[in-house]
Amino acid sequence: ILNVEQSPQSLHVQEGDSTNFTCSFPSSNFYALHWYRWETAKSPEALFVMTLNGDEKKKGRISATLNTKEGYSYLYIKGSQPEDSATYLCAFPYNNNDMRFGAGTRLTVKP
Amino acid sequence: DAGVTQSPTHLIKTRGQHVTLRCSPISGHKSVSWYQQVLGQGPQFIFQYYEKEERGRGNFPDRFSARQFPNYSSELNVNALLLGDSALYLCASSLFTLNTEAFFGQGTRLTVV
Repeated sequence: ILNVEQSPQSLHVQEGDSTNFTCSFPSSNFYALHWYRWETAKSPEALFVMTLNGDEKKKGRISATLNTKEGYSYLYIKGSQPEDSATYLCAFPYNNNDMRFGAGTRLTVKP
Repeated sequence: DAGVTQSPTHLIKTRGQHVTLRCSPISGHKSVSWYQQVLGQGPQFIFQYYEKEERGRGNFPDRFSARQFPNYSSELNVNALLLGDSALYLCASSLFTLNTEAFFGQGTRLTVV
């Protein structure tokens, strides 16, 4: 695949639920994989930049894993809170000069 | 410390006109990238500039052009505007190239009528 695919497209969870999303990307010519959180009326905010196969990164209740050989990354949110409601985007710098974003996973956390 | 700033925030133009969007990166960042985002899709890559040179170009027509100035600020120019150019245009700055963390501005909302 040459494009970045994200699933699911949207997700509705209850406060306190844990959840995860998937990002699939081209497995050849890997440079990095980016995760962003984009809240309504704000700018996209960088969560992680992952570069090594097997990499795991964590920021508070959010963590991400990376498998460059099979071309996927998972983003996990533990104990979702209403303030986690946002669109989560992943991006892949194809050939290191063409940043390709997925369409995003829109997360809604209900109190 | 100021983040990435874009101007203007909103703009309405008529078909066939020309538009210039501006972006000031975070101090010390040498790379600026431009993206077009339409509702329901992820941002689409337009250009990346690093050290005042074009380092990457997305699949956009020649009506789209950009440049980066010695102070690393950047302009995106779009000629002969079409209705389909209506979108949110995002600028992102980073220390180096596309492997490093990018910081986004608030965007410019362009409406072509």
